[in-house]
Amino acid sequence: SAVISQKPSRDICQRGTSLTIQCQVDSQVTMMFWYRQQPGQSLTLIATANQGSEATYESGFVIDKFPISRPNLTFSTLTVSNMSPEDSSIYLCSAGTQGQPQHFGDGTRLSIL
Amino acid sequence: AQSVAQPEDQVNVAEGNPLTVKCTYSVSGNPYLFWYVQYPNRGLQFLLKYITGDNLVKGSYGFEAEFNKSQTSFHLKKPSALVSDSALYFCAVREGNNAGNMLTFGGGTRLMVKP
Repeated sequence: SAVISQKPSRDICQRGTSLTIQCQVDSQVTMMFWYRQQPGQSLTLIATANQGSEATYESGFVIDKFPISRPNLTFSTLTVSNMSPEDSSIYLCSAGTQGQPQHFGDGTRLSIL
Repeated sequence: AQSVAQPEDQVNVAEGNPLTVKCTYSVSGNPYLFWYVQYPNRGLQFLLKYITGDNLVKGSYGFEAEFNKSQTSFHLKKPSALVSDSALYFCAVREGNNAGNMLTFGGGTRLMVKP
């Protein structure tokens, strides 16, 4: 199964700033996804990161707020822009290949002051 | 639209006793079902999946799950619980086996195993 590394593991940021989260997979994968999770709660899909094209965003999430890059089949970034306290959450990267379950990174725990 | 329900926010069991974590789903096509476990400060770890075939699926750490099409359920079970099984468990469904299809998660069930 794919091993997924996320950086940073946690951060404390000032409101109005932006943070870019990196996700590295140890093998080529078809799909990469970004989720948001409040501690102890379920996961909400932010977007699907498409290699070589614009990400596909779910309802309630927009590119200006959460720009995503996926330059190749093993790497993706999520930027949380112009952060406010409401953006405090856990951000999870996951990756999947046809016929295989999705695997997850350990997440980025983000607090906004 | 697809959905997953985990009716219990928390399940408490004594160590050594059998455990069940409940999950029901709704999907228009063929369901592909998954269980994940999340330990504190970690991401989700894959436990097991149902794609097709035997209704009883065996997974990691002694867990198993039974697919019941008529009841649209996929309950997670273990014959003898360990204290180390205490964690947050998520059931998820996807329509079809296409990796690009969206995975929908249940609300999660916290399992507490007491010594």
